[in-house]
Amino acid sequence: QKEVEQDPGPLSVPEGAIVSLNCTYSNSAFQYFMWYRQYSRKGPELLMYTYSSGNKEDGRFTAQVDKSSKYISLFIRDSQPSDSATYLCAMNNAGNMLTFGGGTRLMVKP
Amino acid sequence: KAGVTQTPRYLIKTRGQQVTLSCSPISGHRSVSWYQQTPGQGLQFLFEYFSETQRNKGNFPGRFSGRQFSNSRSEMNVSTLELGDSALYLCASSLVSQGSGANVLTFGAGSRLTVL
Repeated sequence: QKEVEQDPGPLSVPEGAIVSLNCTYSNSAFQYFMWYRQYSRKGPELLMYTYSSGNKEDGRFTAQVDKSSKYISLFIRDSQPSDSATYLCAMNNAGNMLTFGGGTRLMVKP
Repeated sequence: KAGVTQTPRYLIKTRGQQVTLSCSPISGHRSVSWYQQTPGQGLQFLFEYFSETQRNKGNFPGRFSGRQFSNSRSEMNVSTLELGDSALYLCASSLVSQGSGANVLTFGAGSRLTVL
């Protein structure tokens, strides 16, 4: 079993919908949690990062971490076709060695 | 400010050959990390270099190696290529290697290697 599990999708939603993306993990040492967005033929770009449990909001994006359940979420409000991409969760306990989920492919239809 | 530049973007090799990939980090960034991305295994950490020293290494065979130069540019090499080495190889740069907070990694667009 992988350390970080993520539903591969694809997840198809209509424009304007609220999107919920999730990851579960098994390593309780993880303290930093990140969400990356990857467009086709591009490298991942950092969307959000949080430390330990709690919520963090940035515009239309909200990241939630529940360390007791080993569960993290990314919510996208008012989703747009430009949000169509693969979303990757990543986590670590320090430094630059990240453990990634497999990614969820999101399609937002106009 | 220029981003992370990886060359070549696409390349095709045959089994048994070797390949060298190059990464130029963002100016001022001293840490360079390499990741392999495949449909089956996703993104997996290969290794990290900081100030010309390998800081961490992932669970990959010795055929995968890397180095960093004094200007922070990095190369990775894969020898005796196997079909399973076909992947997108991503380089990411960061200001620091360790720290009290989450380091921001900026990824390049990757080098897509196909092994025939």
